[in-house]
Amino acid sequence: SAVISQKPSRDICQRGTSLTIQCQVDSQVTMMFWYRQQPGQSLTLIATANQGSEATYESGFVIDKFPISRPNLTFSTLTVSNMSPEDSSIYLCSGQRGMYNEQFFGPGTRLTVL
Amino acid sequence: AQSVTQLDSHVSVSEGTPVLLRCNYSSSYSPSLFWYVQHPNKGLQLLLKYTSAATLVKGINGFEAEFKKSETSFHLTKPSAHMSDAAEYFCVVSDNYGQNFVFGPGTRLSVLP
Repeated sequence: SAVISQKPSRDICQRGTSLTIQCQVDSQVTMMFWYRQQPGQSLTLIATANQGSEATYESGFVIDKFPISRPNLTFSTLTVSNMSPEDSSIYLCSGQRGMYNEQFFGPGTRLTVL
Repeated sequence: AQSVTQLDSHVSVSEGTPVLLRCNYSSSYSPSLFWYVQHPNKGLQLLLKYTSAATLVKGINGFEAEFKKSETSFHLTKPSAHMSDAAEYFCVVSDNYGQNFVFGPGTRLSVLP
């Protein structure tokens, strides 16, 4: 497996602002993903972060709201744009080495929007 | 499309008694299946995985799961619960490319002294 770190671990933000979350893996991974976990809920996939190209978004998530970058095989960012209280969630990134393997997860970023 | 059902949103057991957390899946292909655990305010940890090898899979901390294709089930068991097992457990199925993960709704396990 690998170790994934996320920054920030938590933040409290004002409505209408944006927050960028960083995800760093300690070794190269093939795939990186971003998930949202709303309070008391399960995880929902936001997008697959593709290295060197645009991310692949799941239904209900759009690039304008959740722009994602992945400049190399160990780093990705997720921006939550024009935030509203409904964006209050835990955001998690994960990495995967090759298809059919497990994903390993970062500790998450707990976001509260006031 | 893949989907996962976890039949119990909450399971409560006494310490030292067996644990059974139920999971049923739907998939058009031979799936890869996983169980993850999430302790309060912690990240997700992989307990075990099934990827078309042995149908009885042993994981960490004494957990195991059995893949039953005829029943489309992947139930998680442990012979004797420990207080430290109290957490949220997620059953996960991957898509046919082994990439996108679909999480079940989760089962909260409580362990009573």
